[in-house]
Amino acid sequence: NAGVTQTPKFQVLKTGQSMTLQCAQDMNHEYMSWYRQDPGMGLRLIHYSVGAGITDQGEVPNGYNVSRSTTEDFPLRLLSAAPSQTSVYFCASSSQGADTEAFFGQGTRLTVV
Amino acid sequence: TQLLEQSPQFLSIQEGENLTVYCNSSSVFSSLQWYRQEPGEGPVLLVTVVTGGEVKKLKRLTFQFGDARKDSSLHITAAQPGDTGLYLCAGGGHNNDMRFGAGTRLTVKP
Repeated sequence: NAGVTQTPKFQVLKTGQSMTLQCAQDMNHEYMSWYRQDPGMGLRLIHYSVGAGITDQGEVPNGYNVSRSTTEDFPLRLLSAAPSQTSVYFCASSSQGADTEAFFGQGTRLTVV
Repeated sequence: TQLLEQSPQFLSIQEGENLTVYCNSSSVFSSLQWYRQEPGEGPVLLVTVVTGGEVKKLKRLTFQFGDARKDSSLHITAAQPGDTGLYLCAGGGHNNDMRFGAGTRLTVKP
C-alpha cells in the first residue's frame, strides 16, 4: 500500500526556473494539501483541495499554483523559483479534512540558488 | 501569529524524566490532533482528541483536550530516547483546512 507518494525527493533549482512537485495518493481521499516546513515555523499550508476540480489557498499561497484534475493527483507548481522558496515540501491527504487523520508523503527538499 | 502556539519550542531531557508540552489557541476547535515527526519523514498521527476535557493515553503518552476545546497538552512519563522527535499539534482552520503549530522538538538523552 503506497499511501502518499511525492516526487522528487530532492531538487535544486536556479532562481527564476519553474518546476512541478508531484503528489499522488491511492487511498481514494477527497482532501489533499501541500505544506512547506521551515525551521521554527512548523508546517504552513500552501494550498489545499477538498475534491477533484476544487482548490483553495492556504496561509502562504504566493508563488505557487495547484490543480486537482483527478482524486489521486495534486501537483504543486512553482512558477518562478525564488530563494525564499527553499524549504521542505510535504503533501498530505485525508478522508474528510481537519478532523480526520492526515497521511503525509516523505517530503521534497527543494533548494533554490 | 499562528493559529496554534506550541511550547516549549525545544526541550532536552534525560532518559527517565517526565515532560509536558502544550498547544494553545484563542480559537475553539472541534478536534485537535497530535503528530510526531522524525528526521527525513512526514508527520505521523499519534492521537485525535474530540471532546472537551478528554484524556487519552497511548502507552507512556497522555493527551488532554482542554475543557473549552482551545488547548491541549501532551505528557510523557519516563521518557526514552525513542521518544525523540518533533511533536506537532494540528487543528481545523476556517474552511476545514488543517493548520499546524510550530512544534516542540524533543531530545531525550540516554
